[in-house]
Amino acid sequence: EVQLLESGGGLVQPGGSLRLSCVASGFPFSNYAMTWVRQAPGKGLEWVSAITGNGRITFYADSVKGRFTISRDNSKNTLFLQMNGLRVEDTAVYYCAKEAYSERPDYVDYWGQGALVTVSS
Amino acid sequence: SYKLTQPPSVSVSPGQTASITCSGDNLGETFVSWYQKKSGQSPVLVMYQDSKRPSGIPGRFSGSNSGNTATLTISGTQAFDEADYYCQTWATSTVVFGGGTKVTVL
Repeated sequence: EVQLLESGGGLVQPGGSLRLSCVASGFPFSNYAMTWVRQAPGKGLEWVSAITGNGRITFYADSVKGRFTISRDNSKNTLFLQMNGLRVEDTAVYYCAKEAYSERPDYVDYWGQGALVTVSS
Repeated sequence: SYKLTQPPSVSVSPGQTASITCSGDNLGETFVSWYQKKSGQSPVLVMYQDSKRPSGIPGRFSGSNSGNTATLTISGTQAFDEADYYCQTWATSTVVFGGGTKVTVL
């Protein structure tokens, strides 16, 4: 059974940093690209970032480029999202998601339960 | 940047057919996926590569994609299908989601 367990969410002040983690199980982690998707309160789904299965290529939405960094540790089946320079508009539930293929994002076949990030003073 | 446009809402009577559209420039030249999102729950993939249903998704869900429009169709809509639905594609090296369509079963 595929499981994706996010952690690291919480309350942070504007300009602060937070690191999300996602521990994966139930599938060969390094064989699949991984993605972060967020949903702000009352808003729709917004793609944030993705990384290929081997970790060599990363992709970012314009809204987070230069502030967020996606990475993965295939030896520990763990995906990360380092978020710096956080803004109030980054407040959202962040979902860790497994892509269907290795080479690039295509479609997500499994989702985590989500981690709430609140940016507020 | 590439944009996908969905109607904000669609209303349907129980047992009837709901059609949710997703529009984008030359959308038919790329694959589209669809996700169902209920409040307080994680999204669920209901359609991928335009018209393929994942295991466990009922046969009343179908999809198509041609020209500038992709469509998710729910036949014999049930109250359980009430949710927000999002289309998604890959364009210009980014993932793009539509704004979402709230399906209400009246």
